[in-house]
Amino acid sequence: TQLLEQSPQFLSIQEGENLTVYCNSSSVFSSLQWYRQEPGEGPVLLVTVVTGGEVKKLKRLTFQFGDARKDSSLHITAAQPGDTGLYLCAGDDRGSTLGRLYFGRGTQLTVWP
Amino acid sequence: DTGVSQDPRHKITKRGQNVTFRCDPISEHNRLYWYRQTLGQGPEFLTYFQNEAQLEKSRLLSDRFSAERPKGSFSTLEIQRTEQGDSAMYLCASSLAWDSGGNTEAFFGQGTRLTVV
Repeated sequence: TQLLEQSPQFLSIQEGENLTVYCNSSSVFSSLQWYRQEPGEGPVLLVTVVTGGEVKKLKRLTFQFGDARKDSSLHITAAQPGDTGLYLCAGDDRGSTLGRLYFGRGTQLTVWP
Repeated sequence: DTGVSQDPRHKITKRGQNVTFRCDPISEHNRLYWYRQTLGQGPEFLTYFQNEAQLEKSRLLSDRFSAERPKGSFSTLEIQRTEQGDSAMYLCASSLAWDSGGNTEAFFGQGTRLTVV
C-alpha cells in the first residue's frame, strides 16, 4: 500500500509553461518534504513544510501544505529544461510508534526547450 | 564534505555472489535509512536504524539482505547470493529523530548502483 500518492506520474511540457504536481494521502503527517532527483544521483532536498496551510517559495517553485497536513502541491512557474527530474514527496509520521519517512513514487517531469 | 557518503558508487557482480555496500551518514544524525530504487520509481523503504538499533525492516528485505549499524555511525547493507532482480540503485539517507528536538529532514547519499549479471 502506497501511503503517499503522487500525480501525475509523468509530465512532459514545453519551456515556459506552468505546472502543478500533487502529493496526497489519507494520513496526517507532521511534516512533508519535497525532493528532486536527477538520473544516477540521490534525491536532493528542496523544501520541508511543517504547518498546515503553509506556503513556501523557492524562486519559481511554490510549495503548499494542506490545511489538514495530508496533502501537498508543488507549482512551477515558467518551467525550464533545468527543472527536468523526478520530484518526490516524503511524509514524516511522528504519530506512529516508528515514525519513519514514507515516500511517494514520484512525478517524472520533462521540460523541452 | 559533511554530506551522506556511499561506497561504492557502482557495483557489477555475477549472480550468486555476495555484495556489501557502505553508508556514512551526516555525523550528528542518529537515524539512518536504506532504500532501493528501480528505474522510474520512487525509493522503496528497506530498513532504518536509530543509533545502532534496527527499528523496522520492510518485507522487501528478504533473508538474503542484512543491514548493520554496529556503533551507531556508518552502516553496511549486505546482499547474499545476488539475483538479477536485485539490480537497482541502493540509497542511504540520514536524519535526526523527531524526539531529538531538531529538524527531521532526510538527506540522501548519491547511491550505489548495483548491476547483477
